[in-house]
Amino acid sequence: QLHESGPGLVRPSDTLSLTCNVSGDSFSSGSYYWAWVRQAPGRRLEWLASIYYTGKTYYSPSLKNRLTISADVAENLFSLSLSSVTAADTALYHCVRVVRPYNCFDPWGQGILVTVSS
Amino acid sequence: QSVLTQPPSVSAAPGEKVTISCSGSSSNIGDNRVSWYQHLPGTAPKLLIYDNDKRPSGIPDRFSGSKSGTSATLGINGLQAGDEADYSCGTWDSSLSGYVFGDATKVTVL
Repeated sequence: QLHESGPGLVRPSDTLSLTCNVSGDSFSSGSYYWAWVRQAPGRRLEWLASIYYTGKTYYSPSLKNRLTISADVAENLFSLSLSSVTAADTALYHCVRVVRPYNCFDPWGQGILVTVSS
Repeated sequence: QSVLTQPPSVSAAPGEKVTISCSGSSSNIGDNRVSWYQHLPGTAPKLLIYDNDKRPSGIPDRFSGSKSGTSATLGINGLQAGDEADYSCGTWDSSLSGYVFGDATKVTVL
């Protein structure tokens, strides 16, 4: 299971920081990547970033300058930070397990709603 | 506009079949595995199909997937009221070096 945590409200221009706790799986299993996906109201699902237990990272080309994904293998968790947020970053943020080699997303965390507002 | 094109909505009566198309290009669907997800606004998406046509355990065989060239299709047989949801396709895009999702298709059971 995956469970997201973080602030529900972030001010414009601040940095959003989210954490995903992974339970029931070994984060260091080579069978998976770990990812963040968001969905803004009325918009499509948007992949943000992925990380492998070795530390290898992948970022959405459109957001890579603002994103950092990291992991704490010992604590079985991974995190996302998104800098310089605007109202366009208001969304439901999910952490997800990505199954190799199929590159499918399963399971998903319930998600955390993040609102960017002053 | 997503690089993966899905119809905005499809509908059918209970017991009938619907198909949802996902059209892409050689750099995404043509070159990579396609997955399909069922989701409702504000809830966690659920994996329905992976590797183009495989169902995870627990997904009924009413759901099917196929891929041909640069397009993929999700089929739902024996439509039920509980199938009313949004459905999205997803795959890796080798040119963008990123994972892409289609704009969701809303399934309505008449």
